[in-house]
Order: sequence, then structure tokens, then C-alpha cells
Amino acid sequence: EAGVAQSPRYKIIEKRQSVAFWCNPISGHATLYWYQQILGQGPKLLIQFQNNGVVDDSQLPKDRFSAERLKGVDSTLKIQPAKLEDSAVYLCANGKGTGSGEQYFGPGTRLTVT
Amino acid sequence: KNQVEQSPQSLIILEGKNCTLQCNYTVSPFSNLRWYKQDTGRGPVSLTIMTFSENTKSNGRYTATLDADTKQSSLHITASQLSDSASYICVVGNAGNNRKLIWGLGTSLAVNP
Repeated sequence: EAGVAQSPRYKIIEKRQSVAFWCNPISGHATLYWYQQILGQGPKLLIQFQNNGVVDDSQLPKDRFSAERLKGVDSTLKIQPAKLEDSAVYLCANGKGTGSGEQYFGPGTRLTVT
Repeated sequence: KNQVEQSPQSLIILEGKNCTLQCNYTVSPFSNLRWYKQDTGRGPVSLTIMTFSENTKSNGRYTATLDADTKQSSLHITASQLSDSASYICVVGNAGNNRKLIWGLGTSLAVNP
């Protein structure tokens, strides 16, 4: 079974620029998550999709972050405009069922905002 | 407040030695407790998932325990290897509240030769 793919793996941008991350989940897994992991901390959930519907986006900074899940499969996370404090690893995770089930993580995208 | 606390924050051991990592939580209502291993530069990988009725679960050299009464869990690593060097994160599922996962900050383990 192929894992969760993410791209790019690394990105360096200047503050106020825009950036987008892409996630290709495991085929057939309905639930998709985007997490932000700041160095030295555990992952923080930004948004959870069930198929292509949003289940939880309570911690997504909606003034600058947006996410969509195309046809319930691939997903993109966008930041516009970026701030210095957005420097983090952005992890995409996938699960078969609801939030209580197993989650499979991609390798993450490391974002550095200068 | 739903919280997960882990100790120690970091740990250094010699290859071949055993170690135990601790996790205390205040999450309620409880759904499940997970231990993840996160290598540097990689996403977390699940080691174990335990529900309320399970008090121990093993995955190779990793053994997790759960005491739902005291709301404590431990992860025991036996005969450590250099490849065990990673961050170990305890995560507790909340049965209510959209079934959110509450993440600990992790224990950073270094296994030295």
C-alpha cells in the first residue's frame, strides 16, 4: 500500500509571500488532516476533511490559511500572506474512518519564512 | 482542560539498555491512547493504539501500558537500538468534541553507541 505523499519537502519564502503545499493521500482513505508542527512541539491540527467536506477547522487561521480537498482525494493547503511564525513542518495525515481511527502521516513539508 | 503531559522531556541511553517513557493525561471522555514514533525529518508513525479496556499492548521491542484509573500510560523500550533515536509522542483521543486528538509534546530519545 503506497503511503501519503507530500510536496514540496522543503520551501523557503519571504514574509508576506504566498505558498501552497500538496498532499496525495492513500487511496480509499476518507479522512484527511493537515497539521502544523513547530520545532520542539507536537503536531497541531489545522483542518480535518471527511471525503471533501470539512469536519473541523477550528484552529485554522482563516485570515491567511486555506485548504481544499479536490474530489475527496488530493488536498492543498495555502498560506497567503506568510508570517515569520508560520515557519514549521506541515504534515498531512490520512485515515480510513473518523478521527478516532489510525492515522498515517506523510513526510511533511518544512517551511521557512524569512 | 484536556491535556497530555510527557516525561522526561529528553533522555539519553546507551545502546542495548531499556528505558520507560511516561504519559499522564486529563482528557475526558477518553477514547483511546496512542504512542507515535517520529524520526527527525519524518512524519509520526504509529506504534500502538489502546482503548479503555486494554492495559498493555506490544509492538516488537515496544510495550505500552495504560492505567485508565490513574490516567497514566508508559512506553517501555527493550534492548534499545541506535535506530530508536527519535521523538516519542503520546496522543489521547477525546470521545466527545468531534473526536479530537490531544497531542503531547513528546520525549526526545537519543540512543548512543
